[in-house]
Amino acid sequence: GESVGLHLPTLSVQEGDNSIINCAYSNSASDYFIWYKQESGKGPQFIIDIRSNMDKRQGQRVTVLLNKTVKHLSLQIAATQPGDSAVYFCAETNFGNEKLTFGTGTRLTIIP
Amino acid sequence: EPEVTQTPSHQVTQMGQEVILRCVPISNHLYFYWYRQILGQKVEFLVSFYNNEISEKSEIFDDQFSVERPDGSNFTLKIRSTKLEDSAMYFCASRNPDSSYEQYFGPGTRLTVT
Repeated sequence: GESVGLHLPTLSVQEGDNSIINCAYSNSASDYFIWYKQESGKGPQFIIDIRSNMDKRQGQRVTVLLNKTVKHLSLQIAATQPGDSAVYFCAETNFGNEKLTFGTGTRLTIIP
Repeated sequence: EPEVTQTPSHQVTQMGQEVILRCVPISNHLYFYWYRQILGQKVEFLVSFYNNEISEKSEIFDDQFSVERPDGSNFTLKIRSTKLEDSAMYFCASRNPDSSYEQYFGPGTRLTVT
């Protein structure tokens, strides 16, 4: 039968280009944010995190930007590779709270 | 690199039956979690477990659900009487409070209720 679910935002990027994935989070009290990557048939995989006392954090080929004023988070992936194709979720929580609240996700497709 | 493992990878059960989903968290981790993901939807928190008791649970985690750490390595999720809407991917996660706030996820168990 037909599956019913959320329609994921999608982003297609040429291999080698940079990509930016955006997320609007819901709770102004959240003080810790994480980006997860989920490949087909697998569990979420940690990419990078950021605390609310920062507005930017860089990892290897990835950068997370946090704008608390508008409750916005973004993930920048530099020089994209075919292996970057996946669904990307942002998640929020606050210290002392064990629950991660996930966003709806964005499907990133890298075009060779 | 240590990882969270889950068994089975796929479980098919009839409505009304009990299922137990099993997880082996990373060995030095102390916080354990269950999440679920209905097909095409976002990952949803079910429950967190620390020091042999539930520390937090969501509205989804009703009386039909229970968790247990029966020994030093396994962490289980039991659904007492499955419903069609319990069909989903169930992810276990664990965390080491001494290192970071990062939750490490297992590969998931796909539960299909018919």
